[in-house]
Amino acid sequence: QKEVEQDPGPLSVPEGAIVSLNCTYSNSAFQYFMWYRQYSRKGPELLMYTYSSGNKEDGRFTAQVDKSSKYISLFIRDSQPSDSATYLCAMSDNGGSQGNLIFGKGTKLSVKP
Amino acid sequence: DGGITQSPKYLFRKEGQNVTLSCEQNLNHDAMYWYRQDPGQGLRLIYYSQIVNDFQKGDIAEGYSVSREKKESFPLTVTSAQKNPTAFYHCACSMEGVVSPLHFGNGTRLTVT
Repeated sequence: QKEVEQDPGPLSVPEGAIVSLNCTYSNSAFQYFMWYRQYSRKGPELLMYTYSSGNKEDGRFTAQVDKSSKYISLFIRDSQPSDSATYLCAMSDNGGSQGNLIFGKGTKLSVKP
Repeated sequence: DGGITQSPKYLFRKEGQNVTLSCEQNLNHDAMYWYRQDPGQGLRLIYYSQIVNDFQKGDIAEGYSVSREKKESFPLTVTSAQKNPTAFYHCACSMEGVVSPLHFGNGTRLTVT
């Protein structure tokens, strides 16, 4: 079983839809959870960063962590064509320093006008 | 305007040649990282460095070498020993000693023929 599982998609939605992106993981020691957005031929950029369980909201984006189920989600409300990108989840047990950040494979999202 | 810069954006080499990818940051971050990304894959750690003149192997270090002579610079050399070097290479940096996510450059696409 891989440490982090993420459905690669592709996921195609109409503009304005609510998007749900998910990752599951097996290591119960993970405490820090991140979502990165990666546009085509660009580097990943940090979108959301949460610690332990709970929700975090930033504009149209909500990150949710359920440590009991080892499941994290990223919700995008009122999705826009500019949200079309690959979304990578990442997690670690100590904040990602010392090089032990584990990435999912990424979900490719396409938002159609 | 702080950031992390990778150059060049695209790089082409013949098989059997060593090639060095540049990474420079002016964020004054202590830690720097190199990741490799293949199509449909997540990011895999090649090397990381927490401090000048010190670096550690990541999950896929074979066929690669790095140096960290200056805090702001962390070049990656892809040697002829790397069996399948064609990939997208990402450099990142983060602060050490605090919970700090990674900041990525825009990547270098290396094609070896």
